[in-house]
Amino acid sequence: DTAVSQTPKYLVTQMGNDKSIKCEQNLGHDTMYWYKQDSKKFLKIMFSYNNKELIINETVPNRFSPKSPDKAHLNLHINSLELGDSAVYFCASSQGATTFNFGSGTRLTVV
Amino acid sequence: AQSVTQLGSHVSVSEGALVLLRCNYSSSVPPYLFWYVQYPNQGLQLLLKYTSAATLVKGINGFEAEFKKSETSFHLTKPSAHMSDAAEYFCAVSKPTGNQFYFGTGTSLTVIP
Repeated sequence: DTAVSQTPKYLVTQMGNDKSIKCEQNLGHDTMYWYKQDSKKFLKIMFSYNNKELIINETVPNRFSPKSPDKAHLNLHINSLELGDSAVYFCASSQGATTFNFGSGTRLTVV
Repeated sequence: AQSVTQLGSHVSVSEGALVLLRCNYSSSVPPYLFWYVQYPNQGLQLLLKYTSAATLVKGINGFEAEFKKSETSFHLTKPSAHMSDAAEYFCAVSKPTGNQFYFGTGTSLTVIP
């Protein structure tokens, strides 16, 4: 039973399209995150939600919009996709400051 | 603000040699520290974490790390490298109050036969 699950695992789409990545956690954690891993393997935090409230909103283009319908879900919607959005996106959840779980990643390729 | 710095984006060691991957942190309060490993085309796997108990932390696959407050360091070591250790390694820090978790820039470990 996967703790943090992301869908889809792979996403190939054309420039200008709008796409969503879904994330769900079944751990009862209060906080969820989105990270972007670029081609140089840098892992950069994008957003953090705690009990559906936005906590961290790093410098991310406003084409990226997170949505948390409840504390078990944090979806990422991306408008007007650009080539530079190609990356691996990781969802994560945490409880407190010492327990973190990561999804297996979504590889987004914009062509 | 919490941050971690990983010195050396690429490290090469011979099989059987000591592995040392460096991580320094900056924090206004003692943080919690983590090491993750990412094998090619895979997700992130927790190697070990420091949560203010013992300063020497043992993890999976023979890795360990020592929290040194005086040096603001949390270096990862393994006495003898295996070919299977070739991967990307990330140091990470979390704020004790929670809700924030930041990665270092990563170190790519190559093991030479």
